[in-house]
Amino acid sequence: QKEVEQDPGPLSVPEGAIVSLNCTYSNSAFQYFMWYRQYSRKGPELLMYTYSSGNKEDGRFTAQVDKSSKYISLFIRDSQPSDSATYLCALGRNTGTASKLTFGTGTRLQVTL
Amino acid sequence: SQTIHQWPATLVQPVGSPLSLECTVEGTSNPNLYWYRQAAGRGLQLLFYSVGIGQISSEVPQNLSASRPQDRQFILSSKKLLLSDSGFYLCASRLAGLQYFGPGTRLTVT
Repeated sequence: QKEVEQDPGPLSVPEGAIVSLNCTYSNSAFQYFMWYRQYSRKGPELLMYTYSSGNKEDGRFTAQVDKSSKYISLFIRDSQPSDSATYLCALGRNTGTASKLTFGTGTRLQVTL
Repeated sequence: SQTIHQWPATLVQPVGSPLSLECTVEGTSNPNLYWYRQAAGRGLQLLFYSVGIGQISSEVPQNLSASRPQDRQFILSSKKLLLSDSGFYLCASRLAGLQYFGPGTRLTVT
């Protein structure tokens, strides 16, 4: 079983829709939770991060963490064609002197006009 | 803020040839640095990380190696490339507890 599971998609939605992207994980040692957005042939860019259970909102984006269920989500409101990208969840823990991230495989999102 | 540079951006190399990918970071000092490989459908795989000059930790045994000759320089190398080394190689730097990625190097081994 992978430590982090993420549906690869692709997920196709019309412009203006609410998008829900999800990851589940098995290791309760993860301490912080991130979402990265990656456009084709580019490096991932950090979109959202949170250290605790609950919701964190930033503009059209909301990150949600449920540590008891080992489940994290990213919601995108009023989706735009420019949101078309691959979204990667990343879960982190500090190990000795370094922090390490474990990534999901990514969900490819296509927002259509 | 920091800026992460990687070069080359793309590379096509024959099997058995050597490899050297470079990552440099501007705007920070003594960062934790990371090398990842991204293969289709497999997410990002951590290859190496470094907490300081000359300090390298390997996550996955393979024919790749890493070095950190200067505080803000991280190099990924191989003496003989395999077909399975093809992929998108990403350097990351940790700043204020968060990891930020460079633009990546796309390597095709033929």
